Amino acid sequence: NAGVTQTPKFRVLKTGQSMTLLCAQDMNHEYMYWYRQDPGMGLRLIHYSVGEGTTAKGEVPDGYNVSRLKKQNFLLGLESAAPSQTSVYFCASSYPGLVSETQYFGPGTRLLVL
Amino acid sequence: AQSVTQLDSHVSVSEGTPVLLRCNYSSSYSPSLFWYVQHPNKGLQLLLKYTSAATLVKGINGFEAEFKKSETSFHLTKPSAHMSDAAEYFCVVSDELGNTPLVFGKGTRLSVIA
Repeated sequence: NAGVTQTPKFRVLKTGQSMTLLCAQDMNHEYMYWYRQDPGMGLRLIHYSVGEGTTAKGEVPDGYNVSRLKKQNFLLGLESAAPSQTSVYFCASSYPGLVSETQYFGPGTRLLVL
Repeated sequence: AQSVTQLDSHVSVSEGTPVLLRCNYSSSYSPSLFWYVQHPNKGLQLLLKYTSAATLVKGINGFEAEFKKSETSFHLTKPSAHMSDAAEYFCVVSDELGNTPLVFGKGTRLSVIA
């Protein structure tokens, strides 16, 4: 039981490049989330999903897209990376029911945009 | 809308002395409140959760928090700090109905001095 895993662990991009971050969970959770963490800002929700094929915007969705084609995977895409998207990205998942349920976090992806 | 304010960005204690991390919340509804911990270069882990049951909530590793509605506070305490407690701590709020995603505070970094 690996829990929540994230790929890659670290990435350097040039401005304007695109990339996809992959989150996978093996706990059969319905809900999945993408956050970004910046110094002194805590975690801010980018997008989330309450089930396969569904997505919703969080607090800071601009510049990101997501897809939930399979229940166990939640992809975060950056179409044209900007230096402001330099951050640590965390994926999380939770049991079905409420978005206030306990969330289980992945180890994070460090992204540097030059 | 929900919000949390963590009153200290950094707290430093000596090993064996008590820990107090302060959190005030704002919520239009009865809140669900959480404390998460993040050790260096790791994902977040749930310490404890309040969901309108007992006002004193016990968590892992000897931590506990007390929900005080009159003061809109949910402070985290531990009687005796251990070196392994050094980490970033996040106070988190959601509404009781679970209709809104979690809202994270900006975090408090706890240092433990030998």
